Amino acid sequence: AQRVTQPEKLLSVFKGAPVELKCNYSYSGSPELFWYVQYSRQRLQLLLRHISRESIKGFTADLNKGETSFHLKKPFAQEEDSAMYYCALTTSGTYKYIFGTGTRLKVLA
Amino acid sequence: SAVISQKPSRDICQRGTSLTIQCQVDSQVTMMFWYRQQPGQSLTLIATANQGSEATYESGFVIDKFPISRPNLTFSTLTVSNMSPEDSSIYLCSVGALAGTEQFFGPGTRLTVL
Repeated sequence: AQRVTQPEKLLSVFKGAPVELKCNYSYSGSPELFWYVQYSRQRLQLLLRHISRESIKGFTADLNKGETSFHLKKPFAQEEDSAMYYCALTTSGTYKYIFGTGTRLKVLA
Repeated sequence: SAVISQKPSRDICQRGTSLTIQCQVDSQVTMMFWYRQQPGQSLTLIATANQGSEATYESGFVIDKFPISRPNLTFSTLTVSNMSPEDSSIYLCSVGALAGTEQFFGPGTRLTVL
């Protein structure tokens, strides 16, 4: 069965420190992976997707098929990065998303 | 992109009653989705709603408990029937343009059942 695991419920880092939010997935085929973010009092929105290989707000994520991981990274955290982050998986040709349980990132001043 | 609104934004209901949640999109979309997010849990897909056909429910969700309407390409409703405290959740509506691509989410409806 498809599954997305985010092992950390809460991650606290100091401003300027590197950030890595972990995401592991279980899927036997070729997944499409996403990171969604929810800032305080805002709706869930797309941060980035693995197929676009882009950097958004300084965040990057690389799909590692060998380790079945899609960790989200940022070299220097900023206070405005504090939010809830969800890793999500979908398979090509379907609309169904499988979400992880989310990691709350707190960036401390 | 799509802008999605939901009504109500929150509600407190009594056990045994039903609540209908509305989802309005600012453009015509083929697929609309309903998710549930229980406290401390992830988002779980309840069903996919296509215009002009029956909704497709995920395992563990049934039409009698969560009837869905999709009367046109910009609107859908989800009813939570015969509610119990276990139904206390945030209910989210989303839309997607193409399979495997970004989904756009509504602001959610926070439901508390007493």
